[in-house]
Amino acid sequence: DQQVKQNSPSLSVQEGRISILNCDYTNSMFDYFLWYKKYPAEGPTFLISISSIKDKNEDGRFTVFLNKSAKHLSLHIVPSQPGDSAVYFCAASYYNQGGKLIFGQGTELSVKP
Amino acid sequence: GAGVSQTPSNKVTEKGKYVELRCDPISGHTALYWYRQSLGQGPEFLIYFQGTGAADDSGLPNDRFFAVRPEGSVSTLKIQRTERGDSAVYLCASSLWAGGNNEQFFGPGTRLTVL
Repeated sequence: DQQVKQNSPSLSVQEGRISILNCDYTNSMFDYFLWYKKYPAEGPTFLISISSIKDKNEDGRFTVFLNKSAKHLSLHIVPSQPGDSAVYFCAASYYNQGGKLIFGQGTELSVKP
Repeated sequence: GAGVSQTPSNKVTEKGKYVELRCDPISGHTALYWYRQSLGQGPEFLIYFQGTGAADDSGLPNDRFFAVRPEGSVSTLKIQRTERGDSAVYLCASSLWAGGNNEQFFGPGTRLTVL
């Protein structure tokens, strides 16, 4: 049972344009959501997060939107840069679970110069 | 560096053998997590430690898998009687303490290949 889903395995955008990565979840107990970025042969690195009490969190070029009623979140990258090319994972956790993360399958972003 | 380190980076073994994978967390981090990433999938939770004790081992697939953290720092993931399906990248992460919004810092992983 995949509780966190990223239905697009890949996304290609032009440098300078917006990248939108999507994530859906099924467990309404989740109260904290994160995005991780992963380069080949490296571990995932934390990018941005959002608590379920918010619907938006922004950090520089990265913004995460949360729609609780739709159980959907998205990551917007504006403007996209070639160095953003990586695999992006959405993850979720919930209270009293010790911070263990449930990950989606990942979306490979390719930003073309 | 001061990040999470994992050894070995690659491990090739034969079906039926025993393997140990090591994780050195960031100094001072009390929580340590193990995840497994199969090809084309996201990391899948295996077990986490708060200090020396395994607080949640619900993700361990079966009793061939075992992990320890005897002194609350380094952790070892042990796999007995390896099977081809165990082939994956095993990731370790640590955080200041377990729970909530504490950022988990990941190591580069150990790629395990079972022939």
